[in-house]
Amino acid sequence: DQQVKQNSPSLSVQEGRISILNCDYTNSMFDYFLWYKKYPAEGPTFLISISSIKDKNEDGRFTVFLNKSAKHLSLHIVPSQPGDSAVYFCAASRGGKLIFGQGTELSVKP
Amino acid sequence: GAGVSQSPSNKVTEKGKDVELRCDPISGHTALYWYRQSLGQGLEFLIYFQGNSAPDKSGLPSDRFSAERTGGSVSTLTIQRTQQEDSAVYLCASNEGTGGEAFFGQGTRLTVV
Repeated sequence: DQQVKQNSPSLSVQEGRISILNCDYTNSMFDYFLWYKKYPAEGPTFLISISSIKDKNEDGRFTVFLNKSAKHLSLHIVPSQPGDSAVYFCAASRGGKLIFGQGTELSVKP
Repeated sequence: GAGVSQSPSNKVTEKGKDVELRCDPISGHTALYWYRQSLGQGLEFLIYFQGNSAPDKSGLPSDRFSAERTGGSVSTLTIQRTQQEDSAVYLCASNEGTGGEAFFGQGTRLTVV
């Protein structure tokens, strides 16, 4: 039972353009959502989060949008940079337990 | 310590042997998580410790897997009678237990030959 799903295993974007990474979840009881970035041979690092009571959170080039009725969240990166190339994981939390999606590999081409 | 520390960073073991993986969380963090990432796969939840509560073991794939957290700090993940399908990167994370940002260690790459 995959409660958090990232249906796109990969995404390729041109430098300077917008990257949009998507995530769907099934459990309406999740109360906090997070995005992590992972480089090869390293542990995931936290990027940005959003509480279930909000619909948008912005931090520099990164914006997370939450659509609770659709059980969907997305991460926008603009402008995309080659250093953004990594695997991005969305995660959802309920009662402290963190469940991750399968990840989307983003490639930003110069 | 400054971050979550995991040891060893790499472990090669023969099929059928037992292995122990260690995680030192960030000091003061009450929640500790173990995840596994197999080749080409996502982060698979294994187990979650929160303070003195009974751990959530719902992600452990078989009874060959067990984990302890002694004194609310260091955790050990034990895999008995390892199988080749256990080969993966095992990641540990900790946070303050509020469900917010969790900090990850570098992981232990386990290879069962």
